[in-house]
Amino acid sequence: DIQMTQSPSSLSASVGDRVTITCQASQDISNYLNWYQQKPGKAPKLLIYDASNLETGVPSRFSGSGSGTDFTFTISSLQPEDIATYYCQQYDNLPTFGGGTKVEIK
Amino acid sequence: EVQLVESGGGLVQPGGSLRLSCAASGFTFSSYWMSWVRQAPGKGLEWVANIKQDGSEKYYVDSVKGRFTISRDNAKNSLYLQMNSLRAEDTAVYYCARDLSGYGYWGQGTLVTVSS
Repeated sequence: DIQMTQSPSSLSASVGDRVTITCQASQDISNYLNWYQQKPGKAPKLLIYDASNLETGVPSRFSGSGSGTDFTFTISSLQPEDIATYYCQQYDNLPTFGGGTKVEIK
Repeated sequence: EVQLVESGGGLVQPGGSLRLSCAASGFTFSSYWMSWVRQAPGKGLEWVANIKQDGSEKYYVDSVKGRFTISRDNAKNSLYLQMNSLRAEDTAVYYCARDLSGYGYWGQGTLVTVSS
């Protein structure tokens, strides 16, 4: 199974800050990597697919990059509505998710 | 509008069985792989199983192999998860999700609680 190591597990940042989350795969997954946002009590929402493609309707302050084993998710300017937990997910093999990153406002 | 609506969750004793359903609408159900993803209380997301468009391929996470069975009925636009020999660690919200380079659509989830 492919393991996804996501870091940090939590972070606190101010409104307007640039926020970066990383995800490392245990083996090469090419660009088969997605990013999700989940708010409490809600289903996850797909933000980025295939490592760097923005899902329709998702604000452009969200972005993703990387390939192979190392991936980055960025919020260019943190907004209050971005408070959530974010997950990476690979689908090169049977799908697996990272452990999640809880983003809070400082 | 794409909609996925899960049902069938509830409280079940360890060793018991439960069948989850997911009713799909707003898209051509038979054209998509479908998955079940679960989330234990306060924990992260875990993919459980997926099934090919025609049901000819099915895959499972190791922890449910031999106990859970995923199936679909394209005529009824429905996805199912038969869960047998349930354990306390199967307690979670179970989501069905449409699979296409990412889970772009999810249901609202149904809670399964395994407890005596």
